[in-house]
Amino acid sequence: GQNIDQPTEMTATEGAIVQINCTYQTSGFNGLFWYQQHAGEAPTFLSYNVLDGLEEKGRFSSFLSRSKGYSYLLLKELQMKDSASYLCAASGYSSASKIIFGSGTRLSIRP
Amino acid sequence: EAQVTQNPRYLITVTGKKLTVTCSQNMNHEYMSWYRQDPGLGLRQIYYSMNVEVTDKGDVPEGYKVSRKEKRNFPLILESPSPNQTSLYFCASRPTGEGQPQHFGDGTRLSIL
Repeated sequence: GQNIDQPTEMTATEGAIVQINCTYQTSGFNGLFWYQQHAGEAPTFLSYNVLDGLEEKGRFSSFLSRSKGYSYLLLKELQMKDSASYLCAASGYSSASKIIFGSGTRLSIRP
Repeated sequence: EAQVTQNPRYLITVTGKKLTVTCSQNMNHEYMSWYRQDPGLGLRQIYYSMNVEVTDKGDVPEGYKVSRKEKRNFPLILESPSPNQTSLYFCASRPTGEGQPQHFGDGTRLSIL
């Protein structure tokens, strides 16, 4: 099957840094999305990686290793509003490809 | 404002009573999709559409139907709802092209009694 794995829950402290990992089987997948979803709301797009390496966008950075089927989302200077679920999703090679979502990581930020 | 609009936002109904959840987008996106989200299972794709009159099954299509008669609309139809279809449903759209992010509607919470 097509498995995408990420931790179910994580806790971090306001102002700190947290890394959320995502692993997926490499066969058939090309790029990796990260979405943020606050409780009861729709997912919103954070990042897309198709090349290996780290991409930085303000406090959020995303890393991809295609050969290892591994990605992470790095959140710096954590704020209380970062408490949310973070979903990784792998996409195939063409625009018609399905996107497979992981189950999401629920991140709780404590003061 | 660019958006994906779903209706209704909440619905409680009974087993076997046909229902339709509407989805409309104003961004002229070719690709539209329906997902259900259940605790511990994440977002699972029900059906998707690459363009008008083109629809395909996702991972969990059983018990659902869709249609794409116009580019902007992609309704989800439950002909005979059952309690195991109680879930949070999201419609999404995106342009074609690799790496294009999906824009999600606000969700529809369905309870089938």
